[in-house]
Amino acid sequence: NAGVTQTPKFRVLKTGQSMTLLCAQDMNHEYMYWYRQDPGMGLRLIHYSVGEGTTAKGEVPDGYNVSRLKKQNFLLGLESAAPSQTSVYFCASRKGTATSGGNYNEQFFGPGTRLTVL
Amino acid sequence: SQKIEQNSEALNIQEGKTATLTCNYTNYSPAYLQWYRQDPGRGPVFLLLIRENEKEKRKERLKVTFDTTLKQSLFHITASQPADSATYLCASPLGQGGKLIFGQGTELSVKP
Repeated sequence: NAGVTQTPKFRVLKTGQSMTLLCAQDMNHEYMYWYRQDPGMGLRLIHYSVGEGTTAKGEVPDGYNVSRLKKQNFLLGLESAAPSQTSVYFCASRKGTATSGGNYNEQFFGPGTRLTVL
Repeated sequence: SQKIEQNSEALNIQEGKTATLTCNYTNYSPAYLQWYRQDPGRGPVFLLLIRENEKEKRKERLKVTFDTTLKQSLFHITASQPADSATYLCASPLGQGGKLIFGQGTELSVKP
């Protein structure tokens, strides 16, 4: 199993450009998450999904959109990139269904995407 | 609002000693805490979970405690090795959807 994979690993954008980050997991997990990690700030949740076709806002959702058209994929979009979005982005997935919760399950993280916006 | 904090200062210790990392939470009572390890350039990896009704949990050289009175969790690595050098993150549940709130992480450096 590959676990959680992220594409691309690195990207440099100019202000105003758009891009999509792809997250894929092969563990049949219901829940998926997008975080950003900045020095001294820790991991902050951008958006998350509790199942195929569902998405919800996290702590810092502004400037980002997400889609979960297939259970195994979770896409993070930046429509008009800003320098403040320079960060390392991590995707994570977790076992558990929306009805049974499985609240004690750990999250599995991808390797991250380092994004620089000039 | 709910807050979870770790000592942001790096911890430097000698090989063979016990490393102790601290995680404090305020304004809520989490049902459990999780600890993750993060190596440079990589995503966090889950290590241990401790529930609020558990005082202590062990896994090999790792030990985690949960003190609901002090609102604190301690993470211990005994007989530390240079390979234990990494950043360690604590996390607690936040609302529905399996969401977690993470501390800033503490960087541990074990010198030979």
